[in-house]
Amino acid sequence: IQLTQSPSSLSASVGDRVTITCRASQGISSYLAWYQQKPGKAPKLLIYAASTLQSGVPSRFSGSRSGTDFTLTISSLQPEDFATYYCQHLNSYPFSFGQGTKLEIK
Amino acid sequence: EVQLLESGGGLVQPGGSLRLSCVASGFTFSNYAMSWVRQAPGKGLEWVSAISGSGGTTYYADSVKGRFTISRDNSQNTLYLQMNSLRAEDTAVYYCAKEVPTSFDYWGQGTLVTVSS
Repeated sequence: IQLTQSPSSLSASVGDRVTITCRASQGISSYLAWYQQKPGKAPKLLIYAASTLQSGVPSRFSGSRSGTDFTLTISSLQPEDFATYYCQHLNSYPFSFGQGTKLEIK
Repeated sequence: EVQLLESGGGLVQPGGSLRLSCVASGFTFSNYAMSWVRQAPGKGLEWVSAISGSGGTTYYADSVKGRFTISRDNSQNTLYLQMNSLRAEDTAVYYCAKEVPTSFDYWGQGTLVTVSS
């Protein structure tokens, strides 16, 4: 199963609403997670089961699914949100990740 | 508090071997599958291998099949990755991660493996 994540990079300003998309090459039900990674740090779980917010993650993050298309939305960017974001499927092994989206300050 | 602490990384020559360890605490280790994920310098995340809670079932990425072996010691709450026939392209930070049905909910801090002569 391949995950195609877009865009690969994105420039935005504090307060902007941003959307990152992840398309699966075949059906994966809702077995999709989103992670945030900052330089030199381990990935951090944001969203699991496509749309469930991990405990402690701010509510400005949300996830959705439409068929094999998945979306991560940040409703109002905060300075601490500038990072790289990855989707991952957990439908069956081998689990794979999207290529990543680097979110940069405009 | 869940903690995962990797160790065992370092510099190794091509063709060499290395064993990584990941010590877990804060949860019932044997109840959870565990995975190794790696990240080459400046690159994205790559799932490497997984093992069931009992240790009876293992899975590997094609890129490491036949060279890497995942195992676990539930009595010591420790996950291992034995890496043989290492190549330059295996150079990466290696993370262990705790699996739940729809995500990797906890990750270690990573250990760097450098394969170079």
